[in-house]
Amino acid sequence: DTGVSQNPRHKITKRGQNVTFRCDPISEHNRLYWYRQTLGQGPEFLTYFQNEAQLEKSRLLSDRFSAERPKGSFSTLEIQRTEQGDSAMYLCASSSQLWTVGSYTFGSGTRLTVV
Amino acid sequence: DQQVKQNSPSLSVQEGRISILNCDYTNSMFDYFLWYKKYPAEGPTFLISISSIKDKNEDGRFTVFLNKSAKHLSLHIVPSQPGDSAVYFCAASVKGNTPLVFGKGTRLSVIA
Repeated sequence: DTGVSQNPRHKITKRGQNVTFRCDPISEHNRLYWYRQTLGQGPEFLTYFQNEAQLEKSRLLSDRFSAERPKGSFSTLEIQRTEQGDSAMYLCASSSQLWTVGSYTFGSGTRLTVV
Repeated sequence: DQQVKQNSPSLSVQEGRISILNCDYTNSMFDYFLWYKKYPAEGPTFLISISSIKDKNEDGRFTVFLNKSAKHLSLHIVPSQPGDSAVYFCAASVKGNTPLVFGKGTRLSVIA
């Protein structure tokens, strides 16, 4: 497996429910990124990890969002008390620390629909 | 505050002709620039990149041009093929070490 894997591919949830997404990066990559993409927009940075350390969080990441990467391998992104505005494609990417330009590899994303 | 701007939401080009996609940026600290291509239901895939020490980088049918003084870059695809139909995102980073900042994308349609 040489790609970034994201699960689930699709998630429909009722407003107010909690959801959790999982990302499995390329095994030799120690950096992992979460982005969100809404219709007509480009991917917007949410947060990133280097190994298990969360190094940066965007202002887009409200208190209802939490991300973890407990053993420096896979990562989870949890959204609590979902709102309709959370409906988006959530993209995960990974790279090596000493990344050369272009070595972000994205997964296929998890599409969240909040009804 | 949009630091990377792609002002053309869509572009339509005939097969075999040149496609030119444009991107402007406002943050003068950006020094790595990339183009990603995205098909529906897939994640973005890396296409080509350029460092600020260069003004041109070529890879097969794809060439990226960088004009630092104008804070402008462009992607040229020659010749355009129907399989090039996708959304193209411009992205930028500082010293290749900060999370990529993306533009809104340009949807390219190559008509056979």
